Amino acid sequence: DTEVTQTPKHLVMGMTNKKSLKCEQHMGHRAMYWYKQKAKKPPELMFVYSYEKLSINESVPSRFSPECPNSSLLNLHLHALQPEDSALYLCASSQELRGVTSGANVLTFGAGSRLTVL
Amino acid sequence: DQQVKQNSPSLSVQEGRISILNCDYTNSMFDYFLWYKKYPAEGPTFLISISSIKDKNEDGRFTVFLNKSAKHLSLHIVPSQPGDSAVYFCAASTNTGNQFYFGTGTSLTVIP
Repeated sequence: DTEVTQTPKHLVMGMTNKKSLKCEQHMGHRAMYWYKQKAKKPPELMFVYSYEKLSINESVPSRFSPECPNSSLLNLHLHALQPEDSALYLCASSQELRGVTSGANVLTFGAGSRLTVL
Repeated sequence: DQQVKQNSPSLSVQEGRISILNCDYTNSMFDYFLWYKKYPAEGPTFLISISSIKDKNEDGRFTVFLNKSAKHLSLHIVPSQPGDSAVYFCAASTNTGNQFYFGTGTSLTVIP
């Protein structure tokens, strides 16, 4: 299995709603990521989990709350979002090769969850 | 501050000709570079990579060149095919963490 699966593909929510984005991989990768991408912009890193522990938080507002229940799953809990949070949210995974000579640390992305906040 | 830059937002090439996509970076600590291809409504898919110990890596129609002194890399696609039409992102990382820095992307259109 060489895929990263994200659900839902599309999500529309109001500013007072609570929803979650889900991500799953079965490649044995121990690093998992959330990226946010707006139109005509590069993917922007939000969070990195390494061995199920949060290792990087790129100063993301607290209305985004990540969770890594186990090595295969990554969630992003959403609450009180703003319309400007509308974007494509990409999950990715990679081998955890920190400190090792790089050469195989490739991000594998999911297809993304398109979020619209009304 | 954008550490990885792709200065050409778009590129059009005739089918069968060579496509050359360029990428510049500013951080001399980067030691691994990747190219991703993205179709609309899909996540980026990995295309080809190069380590800083090399200056060229080839995979079929795709070749990536790295010029460390100029902090520049390029992706050559030859021959270009209509199915290559997509947005191409270059990305860079170091081996001290799990941070990948992406360029702004170049939209390639291959004209049949």
